[in-house]
Amino acid sequence: AQTVTQSQPEMSVQEAETVTLSCTYDTSESDYYLFWYKQPPSRQMILVIRQEAYKQQNATENRFSVNFQKAAKSFSLKISDSQLGDAAMYFCAYSLYGNKLVFGAGTILRVKS
Amino acid sequence: NAGVMQNPRHLVRRRGQEARLRCSPMKGHSHVYWYRQLPEEGLKFMVYLQKENIIDESGMPKERFSAEFPKEGPSILRIQQVVRGDSAAYFCASSTDSLAKNIQYFGAGTRLSVL
Repeated sequence: AQTVTQSQPEMSVQEAETVTLSCTYDTSESDYYLFWYKQPPSRQMILVIRQEAYKQQNATENRFSVNFQKAAKSFSLKISDSQLGDAAMYFCAYSLYGNKLVFGAGTILRVKS
Repeated sequence: NAGVMQNPRHLVRRRGQEARLRCSPMKGHSHVYWYRQLPEEGLKFMVYLQKENIIDESGMPKERFSAEFPKEGPSILRIQQVVRGDSAAYFCASSTDSLAKNIQYFGAGTRLSVL
């Protein structure tokens, strides 16, 4: 069974600084998808970024980028120029094509002004 | 284009009552997923449905829980004879018929409280 592990229960970052959230996963599949979702206090799940495993190039979305290491089964999220609105719970997730999402336990990100 | 709509946002039930949670997917989406989030935990998959079909119910408890996605109308997650352990946030997500994007869009969730 696929599993997703987020080893950092909580992280803090100063406004305008950079922070990296860690995620590892376990799978025997070669083609799959990885995601980072953000859950602010409103509880709405918001897609931050996605990565297809067959793509070697790391995905980027504005201030958000990932470091995808397929052999190491690692998928970290880097947030640059952190803003107060980035404060939220962040979930790493895995899925096979068109299939259910398997989530990690989440990392609470606090942004200090 | 409205997003995924879930209602109610909050639902309070007494032990032994039934809970019905509704999910209307985004326009043009025919795949619906239900997830449960217990307090201080991540989301756990429950069931995956397409119109009139259950595709994967591997995450559904064997008893008291059922789900449907009829040809017309919203998807319904039904919990019979609720117990305190059912208190959680229940999220619905939908995706398009075209699986090329493989992106699930989430509703705002229904928070179920069992007294």
